[in-house]
Amino acid sequence: GAGVSQSPSNKVTEKGKDVELRCDPISGHTALYWYRQSLGQGLEFLIYFQGNSAPDKSGLPSDRFSAERTGGSVSTLTIQRTQQEDSAVYLCASSLYTGDGYTFGSGTRLTVV
Amino acid sequence: AQSVAQPEDQVNVAEGNPLTVKCTYSVSGNPYLFWYVQYPNRGLQFLLKYITGDNLVKGSYGFEAEFNKSQTSFHLKKPSALVSDSALYFCAVRDPISSGSARQLTFGSGTQLTVLP
Repeated sequence: GAGVSQSPSNKVTEKGKDVELRCDPISGHTALYWYRQSLGQGLEFLIYFQGNSAPDKSGLPSDRFSAERTGGSVSTLTIQRTQQEDSAVYLCASSLYTGDGYTFGSGTRLTVV
Repeated sequence: AQSVAQPEDQVNVAEGNPLTVKCTYSVSGNPYLFWYVQYPNRGLQFLLKYITGDNLVKGSYGFEAEFNKSQTSFHLKKPSALVSDSALYFCAVRDPISSGSARQLTFGSGTQLTVLP
């Protein structure tokens, strides 16, 4: 597609429920990143996929968070047993190669009530 | 480890005046440096980047940034601010020599720019 697409744009969920956030990167971009932006905070790195290499999961805050990237394209970020502190905007970005600038999606605003 | 600092949470400037948004970085090698802008309820948009070459980099919307290796800075500048420039600005850095978790960009905490009419 022309840009990075994220869905849903907004998600309200009850504490303890699981959620899935989707990212569709720019076609041909080999690198895909997930970041989290909390209110008044900067961007917190979560996970990074590069081609067929094993993902860099070093930023995931707990084992409730996981992500996969199928066929080197679409990625899904899953948060299990959501907590109120998980409320944030989850941003996905892709780049043609690792050293390039990122193209960001518009984000998914997650609210845990 | 790579890091980036934006010392000002908020910058206010009058329309038509020059603006500067400050950024300093720390990497072990020669940095890749980036500026992004975020408008309300929008994702981040790429403004400009420095990889190598001329220290003065020109980007979108009339913005430019100057790489200063001795001061480890990459300040964002614009000669004449517009009200429409009001947004949240993020500086980011990557050390191309590093591997592992340094392969992604590390972002600063952001600076809210407000241009007053």
